[in-house]
Amino acid sequence: GNSVTQMEGPVTLSEEAFLTINCTYTATGYPSLFWYVQYPGEGLQLLLKATKADDKGSNKGFEATYRKETTSFHLEKGSVQVSDSAVYFCALSPQTGANNLFFGTGTRLTVIP
Amino acid sequence: EPEVTQTPSHQVTQMGQEVILRCVPISNHLYFYWYRQILGQKVEFLVSFYNNEISEKSEIFDDQFSVERPDGSNFTLKIRSTKLEDSAMYFCASRWTSDTGELFFGEGSRLTVL
Repeated sequence: GNSVTQMEGPVTLSEEAFLTINCTYTATGYPSLFWYVQYPGEGLQLLLKATKADDKGSNKGFEATYRKETTSFHLEKGSVQVSDSAVYFCALSPQTGANNLFFGTGTRLTVIP
Repeated sequence: EPEVTQTPSHQVTQMGQEVILRCVPISNHLYFYWYRQILGQKVEFLVSFYNNEISEKSEIFDDQFSVERPDGSNFTLKIRSTKLEDSAMYFCASRWTSDTGELFFGEGSRLTVL
C-alpha cells in the first residue's frame, strides 16, 4: 500500500540552526513526493516537490532529495528563521495525476530567536 | 493572490446533528477535494470531485457524507448525522488540472462533535 511516515514533533530550534525533518514512504509504482507547510492560521501550501528518483526539490532555502534506495524524502534547511515556524507535512501521490495524496502526521517546528 | 476559503473555521455540534462545511475553491479550478485530520493523526483523503460528480472516494467517505457544488462557486461537505469520531480538522483543496498541478488548500474547518 501507500503510506508516509514522518518524524514526530514537535521540533524546537534556535534561529540559524540546521533543520532536518525525516520522511520515509512506502508506495506501489513510482510516486511523486511533496512537502507541504502550514503557517499559523493558513492553509497547507506546497513547499517543494520531486517527481522521480534523485530529483531534488527546493524552495525558500529548503531542500529534499527523492531517494528511491532508502525510500526517503527528508526535508533540510541550513539555517532556519523564526518565520519558518510552522507545521510541515510530507506527502506522496502514487502517480502523476492521481487524485489522492497520502500525508504524514505533520511535524510542528518552532524556531526561537 | 487567489486562495481557497473555508467556513466556518470552527463548529461545535451535538452528536446526531447534520453539519455542512463550506469551501470556495479558486475560481478557475476544476478539481475539488476534501481531506480531514483527526487530532494527532495523519491527514486523510476523503473525496475528489470533478465535472459535478465524485471521481474518487475513500472508505472513510460512507453514506453519512455527501458533497455538492450547488452554485458553481461553493463546494460543500455534508455530514448527515455526526458521530464523536467525526471530530477533526477538515481541509478543502482545489486545483486546475489533474496532472502535476499543485493542490491549493484552505485553512481548514475544525469540527467538534459533543
